[in-house]
Amino acid sequence: ETGVTQSPTHLIKTRGQQVTLRCSSQSGHNTVSWYQQALGQGPQFIFQYYREEENGRGNFPPRFSGLQFPNYSSELNVNALELDDSALYLCASSLDSQGQFFGPGTRLTVL
Amino acid sequence: GENVEQHPSTLSVQEGDSAVIKCTYSDSASNYFPWYKQELGKRPQLIIDIRSNVGEKKDQRIAVTLNKTAKHFSLHITETQPEDSAVYFCAASMKAAGNKLTFGGGTRVLVKP
Repeated sequence: ETGVTQSPTHLIKTRGQQVTLRCSSQSGHNTVSWYQQALGQGPQFIFQYYREEENGRGNFPPRFSGLQFPNYSSELNVNALELDDSALYLCASSLDSQGQFFGPGTRLTVL
Repeated sequence: GENVEQHPSTLSVQEGDSAVIKCTYSDSASNYFPWYKQELGKRPQLIIDIRSNVGEKKDQRIAVTLNKTAKHFSLHITETQPEDSAVYFCAASMKAAGNKLTFGGGTRVLVKP
């Protein structure tokens, strides 16, 4: 059984740029959720994808968007990057309503 | 929306002692309460979870209790070991909201040998 993987591990961007983060869900899981974790804080829910459809969204602006592919992997896209977008971005996969298992995260730094 | 408060923010215990972390939630519709352990630079790891139809759950040295009436739940770690040192997060979710997890602010646990 393969766990949740994310790429890239680290990323440095400048303000105004766009970024795409990728997540491969654990084998057998059909749901991917994305979270933003600022330093010293708990993860904040961005959105969730279930069977390729968005299934809930947190309090993040529309410049945060995503999609899920038929193999249940997912992408998070952030446009017009701001300094406050610097954080650890975590994806978590699950099977329907079962527990969510996190990937290692992508550390995004916006300069 | 849901709000989860977690206390204490830091906890220092002697090896072998017990550690208790408490969380309260605001939305009575929440029905799933997981706990995650996050070591420095690592991913959050699911260590135990409890659903609202159960009052207590144990897994070796770890136990979680849930009081639905008071809307609070707690993590208990017995016989603490240095490898228990980490940041622990509680979370709450409800199936109707797509199982979105709302996290507490975290508790930094230090187990002193």
